[in-house]
Amino acid sequence: QSALTQPASVSGSPGRSITISCTGTTNDIGTYNFVSWYQQHPGRAPRLVIYNINERPSGVSSRFSGSRSGNTAFLTISGLQAVDESHFFCSSYTRSSPSWVFGGGTKLTVL
Amino acid sequence: QVHLQESGPGLVKPSETLSLSCGVSGYSIGSGWYWGWIRQPPGKGLEWIGSIYQGRETSYSPSLKSRVTISMDTSENQLTLKVTFVTAADTAIYYCGRFNYGPYVIDYWGQGTLVTVTA
Repeated sequence: QSALTQPASVSGSPGRSITISCTGTTNDIGTYNFVSWYQQHPGRAPRLVIYNINERPSGVSSRFSGSRSGNTAFLTISGLQAVDESHFFCSSYTRSSPSWVFGGGTKLTVL
Repeated sequence: QVHLQESGPGLVKPSETLSLSCGVSGYSIGSGWYWGWIRQPPGKGLEWIGSIYQGRETSYSPSLKSRVTISMDTSENQLTLKVTFVTAADTAIYYCGRFNYGPYVIDYWGQGTLVTVTA
């Protein structure tokens, strides 16, 4: 069982938007801004797409955005493309030990 | 561009030692940054194992601390992970990465290597 809770799967049609949730507690997502999201295609290394809740690393498409409400963080992908079909997982700093926790991952299917 | 690649045995027997290497190109690991390991058991979420800084400062997950050693060979520009007395619970995909504890991100990852603990 993961420290952060994500839905196992989400799906959407090309051109539409989807949102993936990542639920934690006041020990992590609810208090600290160190929330990040990673994308992983099968057999490939994970890639950082969002950090500090809503910041994008250089080179990441503006179609990716992040937000937070209470103890839940969200990753939104707009203008879905076939290339977006992959797994996404979240992570956060936590004042518990160890200080780094992750979600179980969400499979995105582009219909 | 920084590139990381894990290597090591895919099968380890119970009670033996799991040993993995992570070769790094595009950056000299002794120059700075934290480098470390994360794992993902089948069907479960990711777990932070630990990290090392400039070959001397190490930090480990409390649940693994008694069995884990992370080291760095700057001449070969590679990391090493050792986990002793492994059990089936140590079966996982093991990733190495460059850790940035400022925003708590892993900005470079290896593609991961599956290690199965089986007799």
